[in-house]
Amino acid sequence: SQQGEEDPQALSIQEGENATMNCSYKTSINNLQWYRQNSGRGLVHLILIRSNEREKHSGRLRVTLDTSKKSSSLLITASRAADTASYFCATAFDSWGKLQFGAGTQVVVTP
Amino acid sequence: DGGITQSPKYLFRKEGQNVTLSCEQNLNHDAMYWYRQDPGQGLRLIYYSQIVNDFQKGDIAEGYSVSREKKESFPLTVTSAQKNPTAFYLCASSGGQKRENIQYFGAGTRLSVL
Repeated sequence: SQQGEEDPQALSIQEGENATMNCSYKTSINNLQWYRQNSGRGLVHLILIRSNEREKHSGRLRVTLDTSKKSSSLLITASRAADTASYFCATAFDSWGKLQFGAGTQVVVTP
Repeated sequence: DGGITQSPKYLFRKEGQNVTLSCEQNLNHDAMYWYRQDPGQGLRLIYYSQIVNDFQKGDIAEGYSVSREKKESFPLTVTSAQKNPTAFYLCASSGGQKRENIQYFGAGTRLSVL
């Protein structure tokens, strides 16, 4: 079964708006990561947040982590058409360094 | 050009045939991974390797086989035992500490059944 579950499954917004997506997981983690996938391409790492961190920023990205609720959120501010992609959360939870991916949120940003 | 190269981009398999997907990396990473992605779904781990000449089954290894004879290469064979092989296959590598396992992905191979 998948460790991470994203919500919503799909999100449609206009350029300039903010996009927020959430990820829930089941077991304790070492860190949580967010990846982006353009249609038909590989995944690209966006940001990593450690289990002892609560918030992290990178450019227009803001990630929060609530380990008590086993949840994380990714906020993309001032969205652009180029942000159109699927976004996946992934949890690192074992000593082997494996990642468990969620099903993803498909984001469409219209000009 | 550093990174992970997967080939071919598209692959067609006939019934009863084994096919091999190539994955090569020049990032000097120790760990390599194979994932399967079905439409609208996340990634499921097929096999992973932390070091040359060693590999472990992931969540959906049945019908697949791998080898890791060189650090740079981690080919995946989809055998005839895999009855539903149509999917998008992604290879990844990681070189960091296991607790901060950022993975770098290839562009993927799309496998279809003829």
